Amino acid sequence: AQSVTQPDIHITVSEGASLELRCNYSYGATPYLFWYVQSPGQGLQLLLKYFSGDTLVQGIKGFEAEFKRSQSSFNLRKPSVHWSDAAEYFCAAEGDSGYALNFGKGTSLLVTP
Amino acid sequence: DGGITQSPKYLFRKEGQNVTLSCEQNLNHDAMYWYRQDPGQGLRLIYYSQIVNDFQKGDIAEGYSVSREKKESFPLTVTSAQKNPTAFYLCASTFRDRANYGYTFGSGTRLTVV
Repeated sequence: AQSVTQPDIHITVSEGASLELRCNYSYGATPYLFWYVQSPGQGLQLLLKYFSGDTLVQGIKGFEAEFKRSQSSFNLRKPSVHWSDAAEYFCAAEGDSGYALNFGKGTSLLVTP
Repeated sequence: DGGITQSPKYLFRKEGQNVTLSCEQNLNHDAMYWYRQDPGQGLRLIYYSQIVNDFQKGDIAEGYSVSREKKESFPLTVTSAQKNPTAFYLCASTFRDRANYGYTFGSGTRLTVV
């Protein structure tokens, strides 16, 4: 079965520190991959997406992600975290159900002063 | 501006009631989706529709129904058969050419059983 796994439920980082959020996928072939961010009580905002080509993808708000086929991973990174980055982050991959996205369970990011 | 509008933002349901959540998009998107979000569970697919007058069950369709009579609209009805409907519901849409356009999400409806 197709699945997306985010191993870390919660992550705490200090403001200004670097960030890496992990995402692994289990698919027969490489799917389209996405990272979304969600603030409390809000919808999802797309940070970046990977379809093909360059394995290092740049997104909005200073985020980037690296696709590694050999590890079935699509990890999200940011060099220096800001307090406003505190939110829930979801990794997703396109599935077989009418292109619907399969989501990981999310990683909650807390940023400390 | 184009986007997806979900209404209402908050909805309260009594036991045994059916309620309908609205999802309207003015993006001319072909496909529309309904997801349910529970704490720690991520988003789970309820129903999806790729064209007007056609829709398919997702992973957790029991207790829900949808219609797609217009391209712009994809309402979700939470029926009394849904035993645990309290959740955050998100609607999304996309073009078939999602490689260029990606997916757009609404701002959600929070449903609470009272």
